[in-house]
Amino acid sequence: EPEVTQTPSHQVTQMGQEVILRCVPISNHLYFYWYRQILGQKVEFLVSFYNNEISEKSEIFDDQFSVERPDGSNFTLKIRSTKLEDSAMYFCASSDTRQGAKTQYFGPGTRLLVL
Amino acid sequence: QQQVKQSPQSLIVQKGGISIINCAYENTAFDYFPWYQQFPGKGPALLIAIRPDVSEKKEGRFTISFNKSAKQFSLHIMDSQPGDSATYFCAATLPYNTDKLIFGTGTRLQVFP
Repeated sequence: EPEVTQTPSHQVTQMGQEVILRCVPISNHLYFYWYRQILGQKVEFLVSFYNNEISEKSEIFDDQFSVERPDGSNFTLKIRSTKLEDSAMYFCASSDTRQGAKTQYFGPGTRLLVL
Repeated sequence: QQQVKQSPQSLIVQKGGISIINCAYENTAFDYFPWYQQFPGKGPALLIAIRPDVSEKKEGRFTISFNKSAKQFSLHIMDSQPGDSATYFCAATLPYNTDKLIFGTGTRLQVFP
């Protein structure tokens, strides 16, 4: 069964450093998302991406964040200058909303710890 | 307006019992209501979903009941098993934009033998 994969599974970084989280969505999917989950809290939407551009972003997704689809398979989330409050689990998701499917498939997540 | 409220925060059920988790929303434009199951250290996985033109959907031991007039929906897990122990999130999406998921706060379910 096809699945969304994410690397790395864990990332520890110093405050102020740049991090890039990587995702490989399911191959025939067209819509890509990043969500985050601070420990013990709900999953929050960050950004959605379709047709090589951001289609929607939340207020969390400020200028420190960017997304990119550098090739036909990878989808990345970059945090330019990490803050302590960026520590969270980051999930990538993808969907094929043709025919109104609306099902989003989540990757296993990257646990980011900012020290 | 775009919130989904979920209760209870945690739930303890004996094996074989019925687990019930409730969600409520305000925005009547929501058009799709999925439930996600999350095991520790894993990403959320779609469990079951419903659209507002249906009052109930059943898949195996899992049933969603949907009350459009009350703007509430609930997940029922029949014959709960220890393997069902996980965190459950209700969610909702809007029919336009990007189908971003708006999640509830989650319910941690523990099923004891």
